[in-house]
Amino acid sequence: QVQLQQSGAELARPGASVKLSCKASGYTFTSYWMQWVKQRPGQGLEWIGAIYPGDGDTRYTQKFKGKATLTADKSSSTAYMQLSSLASEDSAVYYCASGGTTTMRFTYWGQGTLVTVSA
Amino acid sequence: DIQMTQSPASQSASLGESVTITCLASQTIGTWLAWYQQKPGKSPQLLIYAATSLADGVPSRFSGSGSGTKFSFKISSLQAEDFVSYYCQQLYSTPHTFGGGTKLEIK
Repeated sequence: QVQLQQSGAELARPGASVKLSCKASGYTFTSYWMQWVKQRPGQGLEWIGAIYPGDGDTRYTQKFKGKATLTADKSSSTAYMQLSSLASEDSAVYYCASGGTTTMRFTYWGQGTLVTVSA
Repeated sequence: DIQMTQSPASQSASLGESVTITCLASQTIGTWLAWYQQKPGKSPQLLIYAATSLADGVPSRFSGSGSGTKFSFKISSLQAEDFVSYYCQQLYSTPHTFGGGTKLEIK
């Protein structure tokens, strides 16, 4: 079965960087786009960007260019998102999601990673 | 970027009633629209894709309609577990923007 396992919660200082991971299993990792989504406490969903692991093609929302960097390791079927120059407004839950074995949609979601930015 | 305007932001309803949520796209997106349900503290769950198709395992009381720029999501005969948050997302072009969300509350 398709699973997306995200890395554990992070506590980071302002100005630091964190690298979140999303390990995929149960489908061909290189054949489906992986999206990343941000959700601040009590707020809605915000699209950060997506990566196609097959060739590394990436798309970003303008707001997150320079803030988020998406990469993928085909050998371990793991997608990564690095967040840089962290500030309090980066404190949020971050989700990865993939179509898995389905097309035209993001059916499968990770459990989310909580990032807390605090001095 | 395509803007998705979702309404209402919140709605009160009673058990057994039906509710409809609307998403308006700032430009045509064909039927490239998905609807998600999100329970508190949980990841979003896909309910509807391609505007009208029910995702696997989703109860038939959930339905979607629309194309172009106007889309609707309906829950018939509300159950207790349906009083959570719902989001639309356009998949026509990147960035794949979300609507602002709708929170359903029990009246």
